[in-house]
Amino acid sequence: QVQLVESGGGVVQPGRSLRLSCAASGFTFSTYAMHWVRQAPGKGLEWVAVISHDGSKKYYADSVKGRFTISRDNSKNTLYLQMNSLRAEDTAVYYCAKGITMIVASPYYFDYWGQGTLVTVSS
Amino acid sequence: QSVLTQPPSVSGAPGQRVTISCTGSSSNIGATYDVHWYQQLPGTAPKLLIYGNSNRPSGVPARFSGSKSGTSASLAITGLQAEDEADYYCQSYDISLSGFYVFGTGTKVTVL
Repeated sequence: QVQLVESGGGVVQPGRSLRLSCAASGFTFSTYAMHWVRQAPGKGLEWVAVISHDGSKKYYADSVKGRFTISRDNSKNTLYLQMNSLRAEDTAVYYCAKGITMIVASPYYFDYWGQGTLVTVSS
Repeated sequence: QSVLTQPPSVSGAPGQRVTISCTGSSSNIGATYDVHWYQQLPGTAPKLLIYGNSNRPSGVPARFSGSKSGTSASLAITGLQAEDEADYYCQSYDISLSGFYVFGTGTKVTVL
């Protein structure tokens, strides 16, 4: 069965960096676009970024553009999110989510989600 | 920040029918993009509930149904059960500069 397991969250000071990972299993990772979605404490869901199946295309929400970088290693079935210049408003649970095709800029849904990893940005 | 608007909360007694609305605009739902729904039980990750406006993934009970019309969509739960108490989010695609994938503001369903 499909499994997505995030890791790398923690407490970090404003302005510092953190890298999240998402280990995938149960499907052919290299043939699907992958996403990061976050949820601030007590708030709703916010899409963060997407990467194509081969890593050649990446898109970001305006709120993280220029600070966050999404990447993947298909040989390790792992998705990453490098977060730089972190702000208090980046505090959230970060979920990785699987797209249903390899296409990135396409209207579709997320069929599987990981359990999430909490990032807290605080001094 | 959400571009899709949902009521903050709805409630109903066991066995009743409740509906959740999701209102968008001409750059998302009104642009004929499909609406999808997710259920988030307390302390857990979101789970796909309805895709493509009205389709249920395998394993989702038939008491959950979805529909879409114009710039809005709805999720209905008939025969409400205690285990349906959760947060529900709609999701679509947006062609404006604000981003691709957009979520609703979320609705808390309470079973009385």
